[in-house]
Amino acid sequence: QKEVEQNSGPLSVPEGAIASLNCTYSDRVSQSFFWYRQYSGKSPELIMSIYSNGDKEDGRFTAQLNKASQYVSLLIRDSQPSDSATYLCAVNNGRQAGTALIFGKGTTLSVSS
Amino acid sequence: DARVTQTPRHKVTEMGQEVTMRCQPILGHNTVFWYRQTMMQGLELLAYFRNRAPLDDSGMPKDRFSAEMPDATLATLKIQPSEPRDSAVYFCASGPGSQETQYFGPGTRLLVL
Repeated sequence: QKEVEQNSGPLSVPEGAIASLNCTYSDRVSQSFFWYRQYSGKSPELIMSIYSNGDKEDGRFTAQLNKASQYVSLLIRDSQPSDSATYLCAVNNGRQAGTALIFGKGTTLSVSS
Repeated sequence: DARVTQTPRHKVTEMGQEVTMRCQPILGHNTVFWYRQTMMQGLELLAYFRNRAPLDDSGMPKDRFSAEMPDATLATLKIQPSEPRDSAVYFCASGPGSQETQYFGPGTRLLVL
């Protein structure tokens, strides 16, 4: 069974620090990778997507992908209390575009002021 | 501001009753997903549709759950009869189909007593 693994946390960082969230996946054919943020009681919100090996930066967020190691990470620079949420890693299920996603159970991030 | 809408937002019912949840995908999106989220299992795919045709419903308990898309603007998820173990948040998400990006609705919080 295809799996996406994340450390459940909580990951606690002080305000202004870098938060590093990690994810591993089991299916080598996966091509698309996503990070969603979910605040308590709310729905998941897409914050980053990455398709190629290497880094992709968007504001304070950097997604990193290493397909050989089947590893995806999300770095949040200058962490703010408003970043406190659960971060879900998602991986596409198959080679074809537009397939469903497999989600990890999420890592809870707590940023203290 | 295009959004996925879901109704009802909250539902409390008694065991054995029928529950119907509705979803309106973002206009122009041809792929619709139904997920269930619990603390224990995380976010699980129940079923998904492309161009109103079901592509995968393997995550759904077939004996009590059914999902349909009567038209391009409406997706439904029914549970009959409902059981206490069905208590969860049910999310609908839609996507453009050409890629895996998905946008989530606000969810239906279901409690079966």
